[in-house]
Amino acid sequence: NAGVMQNPRHLVRRRGQEARLRCSPMKGHSHVYWYRQLPEEGLKFMVYLQKENIIDESGMPKERFSAEFPKEGPSILRIQQVVRGDSAAYFCASSPQGGGGQPQHFGDGTRLSIL
Amino acid sequence: GENVEQHPSTLSVQEGDSAVIKCTYSDSASNYFPWYKQELGKRPQLIIDIRSNVGEKKDQRIAVTLNKTAKHFSLHITETQPEDSAVYFCARMNYGGSQGNLIFGKGTKLSVKP
Repeated sequence: NAGVMQNPRHLVRRRGQEARLRCSPMKGHSHVYWYRQLPEEGLKFMVYLQKENIIDESGMPKERFSAEFPKEGPSILRIQQVVRGDSAAYFCASSPQGGGGQPQHFGDGTRLSIL
Repeated sequence: GENVEQHPSTLSVQEGDSAVIKCTYSDSASNYFPWYKQELGKRPQLIIDIRSNVGEKKDQRIAVTLNKTAKHFSLHITETQPEDSAVYFCARMNYGGSQGNLIFGKGTKLSVKP
């Protein structure tokens, strides 16, 4: 049973470019969460999605960031016009059901570096 | 109100000793408390979790205790081994509604010296 798959593992972008991060949840999981981790800090919640629905985006910056989880294919976290401050590790997690109390299992993350 | 305070930020123990990490929170609606282990450059790995209707849970050398009245929960690792060296994160989540996000502490860097 494959775990949460994220790609790419490393992504380098220049300021002003777009970054697209992908996440395929564990088999049987239909709930996806995105978190951002700055160096030597904890993870900060960004967005919680179910297939074709954004359930909670309270942690997403208001501008430049968007997320989707289409009916077919992986969840995508999109960052437009990247800036140096976007450099971080972005982790995706999934759970079989939604709501509180469901264990979340993480992928290996995407390390985003902005030149 | 929303944060989780985690202490200590670094912890160094001798192999075979015990390690204890403590987290406190203020939101009484919190009902689920997982612990994650993260090795350098790797994914956070769920190692144990506890729900609010339970005071203690144990899995081999790892145990978690929860005091809902005092709003704190702790991770206990006994008979530590060098491979336990990692950063450990506590987290909390609220039950109910559409909420599913975890709120993490800032982590404890555990070093186990052989």
